[in-house]
Amino acid sequence: AAGVIQSPRHLIKEKRETATLKCYPIPRHDTVYWYQQGPGQDPQFLISFYEKMQSDKGSIPDRFSAQQFSDYHSELNMSSLELGDSALYFCASSYPLGRENTEAFFGQGTRLTVV
Amino acid sequence: ILNVEQSPQSLHVQEGDSTNFTCSFPSSNFYALHWYRWETAKSPEALFVMTLNGDEKKKGRISATLNTKEGYSYLYIKGSQPEDSATYLCASPEGSQGNLIFGKGTKLSVKP
Repeated sequence: AAGVIQSPRHLIKEKRETATLKCYPIPRHDTVYWYQQGPGQDPQFLISFYEKMQSDKGSIPDRFSAQQFSDYHSELNMSSLELGDSALYFCASSYPLGRENTEAFFGQGTRLTVV
Repeated sequence: ILNVEQSPQSLHVQEGDSTNFTCSFPSSNFYALHWYRWETAKSPEALFVMTLNGDEKKKGRISATLNTKEGYSYLYIKGSQPEDSATYLCASPEGSQGNLIFGKGTKLSVKP
């Protein structure tokens, strides 16, 4: 079965550069979530989308933006990168979660290293 | 905005100990309660999705209970093993089509 696909898997950028992370949800999933996990830290919710509209926003810096496209894939754009942005970025997708036994499925993550 | 809270924040146990931790959520407008296990540098994986008050689910040594009237869920691990070391996240959807609101997680460390 198709899973959540994230690309790239690994990314190395220099400070002040820009990075774009992509997430391709499971087909027919209409909700996408982005999480950031810094080294040795708990996962932090960044932002989520439902039906191509932003549905919730967490601890996402103003330097970051994201959107969900008509094909439901999502991109997280990160500008003016800082060393502290080095982390594992996870994307998850789901159906509307009010349905019984619906769960969120997570991608393998993109490891961003800022040098 | 839905507020999902987990306690304790971290837990250190010895191999063989049984342990449990708590997830609390608003009891009004409840749709479901999810438990995920997140091992460092791996994808979180769903353990349980629970919807009914009084529900109890089990997967091997791990089980969970749900009380929607008082707004809490317990996750139990019987005879903890080092491979159980992970962050355990609970989450609840905000509305029938809302996004999943996660708690901050309970980080479990099991020492051999």
